[in-house]
This record gives sequence, C-alpha cells and structure tokens, in this order.
Amino acid sequence: QSVLTQPPSASGTPGQRVTISCSGSSSNIGSNYVYWYQQLPGTAPKLLIYRNNKRPSGVPDRFSGSKSGTSASLAISGLQSEDEADYLCAVWDDSPRGPVFGGGTKVTVL
Amino acid sequence: QLQLQESGPGLVKPSETLSLTCSVSGGSISSIRYYWGWIRQPPRKGLEWIGSIDYSGSTYYNPSLKSRVTISVDTAKNQFSLNLRSVTAADTAIYYCARRPPEDPLYMDVWGKGTTVTVSS
Repeated sequence: QSVLTQPPSASGTPGQRVTISCSGSSSNIGSNYVYWYQQLPGTAPKLLIYRNNKRPSGVPDRFSGSKSGTSASLAISGLQSEDEADYLCAVWDDSPRGPVFGGGTKVTVL
Repeated sequence: QLQLQESGPGLVKPSETLSLTCSVSGGSISSIRYYWGWIRQPPRKGLEWIGSIDYSGSTYYNPSLKSRVTISVDTAKNQFSLNLRSVTAADTAIYYCARRPPEDPLYMDVWGKGTTVTVSS
C-alpha cells in the first residue's frame, strides 16, 4: 500500500482536460511540496511538476499542479495521445523522514 | 549531457545480497551540486525511495530499508553503488539511479534507464 493515494486510472479524449488526485496526510502533503512524475511505458520517470506547481524547462504548460490541505492535483489540459502514461505524485514525509510516492494513475487517451 | 547507467545481476537468490552500480558519464560525481540516489519500482506498483549519497559520502536511507542497505560512492570510477542484504521476493523490482540537488530531495531530474532485478531461487 502506497502512503499517497491515487486513482488507478483516468481517461479522456483528445483535447479534453483530465485531473488526477493525490491524497496524503498532515505529515506529507499537508506540510511539504508536492512533485509529479510522468512515466511513459517501459521508461524511467520524468519530472513533470515540482514544488506544487512549477514546471521544469521543456515541460508544456498544458501540465499544471495544485495543492490544498492534504491533497494535490495534476491537470492535463488539451489532452494529447502522447500524454498516455502513468503519473505518480511524490512528497517528503516528516514521519518517518523520507520521500514517499503514490501508486500511480494510468492515463488513457480514448 | 549527464547520463546514468545501472548495471548488475538480473537474478539474485533469496537471502543473498543484491549489488548494483550506477555509472555516471558526462559529468563528475564529485560535484557538490548534486546528490545521487536509488529508487525502485516493484512490478505493477509505485516507486519506493531507497536512499541517496552526497559528494562527501554522507548517506540517507529509507527507514524501512535502512537495516539492509548500504550506498557507497567511488569517485575514481565516477560511479556509486547499492548493496541490499538478505533479499526476498519482495525486493524484486526495477531499480533506478537518479540525480538530485542537495536542497530538493524530490527534484530528480536525471534518471538511468533502470535495471530489472528478480529475486528467485
């Protein structure tokens, strides 16, 4: 069981907006920054969002992150076929100390 | 461009030690600007942080794995290594190495491609 809870799947048609949730607790999301990683099939994770809502260079602005209380969300607007991947949330947990990850949400483009 | 490459046995017997190496190319592992870490992903599951090491050799481990894990660095060979002792089937996973800055433990911006390790007799 992952410390952070994500829905196992989400889907949308091209051009739609898809939102993925990540639920945690006061010791992780409630008090620390949230990160999101994109994992295309058979590849290593790629940093998508850092410090709740910032995008590394090269990440399209179709991807956005937000946080409220002990939950966070990743939104993909203008969904494209290349966005079909697993999306994992991550955060530092104060107890016990260290990074923790969600189980991942598989996004399917219909 | 910095690249990381994991290497090591793909099959390990239960109760033995899993040993992996991450080779760094296109940059120096001795840079004070980065820490180097290991993350794993069991089949059909999410990621699990194993631990990391900095340029001076200081280590940081996942509390749940700390009793079995050792991460070390070899600056002469520009590589760092993972030893995981007393493995069981639960340690079967894809093992990744990654880079991150000292001030941001979750900002892992360069990853290796990963290596699959199966624990089985």
